[in-house]
Amino acid sequence: DIQMTQSPSSLSASVGDRVSITCRASQSISTYLNWYQQKPGKAPKLLIYAASSLQSGVPSRFSGSGSGTDFTLTISSLQPEDSATYYCQQSYRMPRSFGQGTKLEIK
Amino acid sequence: EVQLVQSGAEVKKPGESLRISCKGSGYSFTSYWINWVRQMPGKGLEWMGRINPNDSYPNYSPSFQGHVTMSADRSISTASLQWSSLKPSDTAIYYCARVITTRPYHFDYWGQGTLVTVSS
Repeated sequence: DIQMTQSPSSLSASVGDRVSITCRASQSISTYLNWYQQKPGKAPKLLIYAASSLQSGVPSRFSGSGSGTDFTLTISSLQPEDSATYYCQQSYRMPRSFGQGTKLEIK
Repeated sequence: EVQLVQSGAEVKKPGESLRISCKGSGYSFTSYWINWVRQMPGKGLEWMGRINPNDSYPNYSPSFQGHVTMSADRSISTASLQWSSLKPSDTAIYYCARVITTRPYHFDYWGQGTLVTVSS
């Protein structure tokens, strides 16, 4: 099975900051990497698919990069509504797997 | 508008059976697989498996194989997840999510989640 490891597990940043979250796969997954945002009490929401493609309706301050085993989700200018937990997920091989999540708080 | 609407919260006792459902609308139900994802209290997301609504063929995560059964009825655009004998450790929120049957296989729409509580 492919293991997904995110870092950091949590972070705190200020409005307007540039924030990055990394995700590492235990083996190469090409660009089959997706990012989701989950707010408390809500279902996850797709932000980025195929490592760098922005899902329709998602603000352009979100971007994704990477290939192989190392990936990054970047928020260019943090907004208050970005407070959430972020998960990466590989769709390269079954069983699908998620990272453990990164909790982002706004200072 | 694409929607996945899940059945309501359930409270069950250990050993009881349960079926929860996920109804798709606003799209061609047979063009997307339905996936199930578990989220235990305060924890992360775990992929349980997926079902192909065209032929009801499931793929289970090894972690859930034998513990749950997935099914689909394309005539009513509904997928189901069922347990024959619940355990307290099954207490969680269960989400359904659709994924198109071609790469790159991302979960683009999710249901609102069904909270299952198993307690004596």
